Amino acid sequence: QKEVEQNSGPLSVPEGAIASLNCTYSDRGSQSFFWYRQYSGKSPELIMSIYSNGDKEDGRFTAQLNKASQYVSLLIRDSQPSDSATYLCAVNLGGAGGFKTIFGAGTRLFVKA
Amino acid sequence: KAGVTQTPRYLIKTRGQQVTLSCSPISGHRSVSWYQQTPGQGLQFLFEYFSETQRNKGNFPGRFSGRQFSNSRSEMNVSTLELGDSALYLCASRTGQSSGANVLTFGAGSRLTVL
Repeated sequence: QKEVEQNSGPLSVPEGAIASLNCTYSDRGSQSFFWYRQYSGKSPELIMSIYSNGDKEDGRFTAQLNKASQYVSLLIRDSQPSDSATYLCAVNLGGAGGFKTIFGAGTRLFVKA
Repeated sequence: KAGVTQTPRYLIKTRGQQVTLSCSPISGHRSVSWYQQTPGQGLQFLFEYFSETQRNKGNFPGRFSGRQFSNSRSEMNVSTLELGDSALYLCASRTGQSSGANVLTFGAGSRLTVL
């Protein structure tokens, strides 16, 4: 079982719709969760972090965390063509050496104008 | 505030050669992590350095190594290059505090092509 799993997509949504991206993780002790966005040919950039169960909203983005189900999701409301990118779910895994951040394979999102 | 700087941005090597990549973290960041990104495998964790010590390591062969200097700059080396080492190598820095909340900031990456 991979440490962080995402549906690779592609996920295609029309402009103005809600895009829903999902992620599961295997380490029940994980405490910190992140969503990064990566445009083609660019490096990943952080868009959301979440540490507590429930929802966290930032503009058009909402991150949802359910630690009991080991599930993280990202909702993008009013999707725009500029949101077309690969979205990477990341989890901080603890260990003897401190934390390391492990990424899922990413979900490619296409927003059709 | 300058971001994470990686050099070189692009390089081409042949099988059997070795390569060294450099990463200068954001000022004040003491932790540097390295990742390999390929279309088939996604972002794979290589290792993390903090205060000149390797703190975490991923599942890569010993041909992949790294080090960190006293000014927090880091280098990674790949010896005896194989075709499968062609990838984008990303460096990311963070403050390195023990809290799992502190996040990574990535550099632009070094794209390695092995012929």
